Amino acid sequence: GNSVTQMEGPVTLSEEAFLTINCTYTATGYPSLFWYVQYPGEGLQLLLKATKADDKGSNKGFEATYRKETTSFHLEKGSVQVSDSAVYFCALSLVTQGGSEKLVFGKGTKLTVNP
Amino acid sequence: EAGVAQSPRYKIIEKRQSVAFWCNPISGHATLYWYQQILGQGPKLLIQFQNNGVVDDSQLPKDRFSAERLKGVDSTLKIQPAKLEDSAVYLCASSLVDRALYYEQYFGPGTRLTVT
Repeated sequence: GNSVTQMEGPVTLSEEAFLTINCTYTATGYPSLFWYVQYPGEGLQLLLKATKADDKGSNKGFEATYRKETTSFHLEKGSVQVSDSAVYFCALSLVTQGGSEKLVFGKGTKLTVNP
Repeated sequence: EAGVAQSPRYKIIEKRQSVAFWCNPISGHATLYWYQQILGQGPKLLIQFQNNGVVDDSQLPKDRFSAERLKGVDSTLKIQPAKLEDSAVYLCASSLVDRALYYEQYFGPGTRLTVT
């Protein structure tokens, strides 16, 4: 089946540290890949996306590259800030047999950045 | 632009009671989704509407859950009767379309349900 596996959390870093959150996927077909972020008390927001192999998604200093050969979409940021503290979800999107588009999420990784 | 609205934000009920959640999507968004997010897990799609028709309800426990989207705008999700394992955050999301090109799903703040 289609699934997403994320790095177990929680992750705690100091401000300006380098961040990597690993994400791998299993899918039939050619999914689009996403990172969503959920700040405390808020709804999920799309952080970045990539729709085909070797695409790089980027936003707010975060980056992730769609690696088909390793079925991965790892999230990285060179220098984290306290305001990046949130839960991060990796997700894939596939068009179903019925023609609808469906998001499948990983379990989420909680990031805490200390000053 | 107003975001996706949901109410109530929190609800506590006893098992075997019924409960309903309401969602108002972003104006003009034809597609509406309900997700269930159990603590420590990612959101799981329960049902997807295109206008007021159901596109996908394959993961909706139909013996106790029901949803409707009248007039292709607001939607309600109902649980009757509730079980302890229904304790979760129920998220509503909307998007412009869901075909071919991916359009971003915009999520509401969610309703946190506790079943005791």
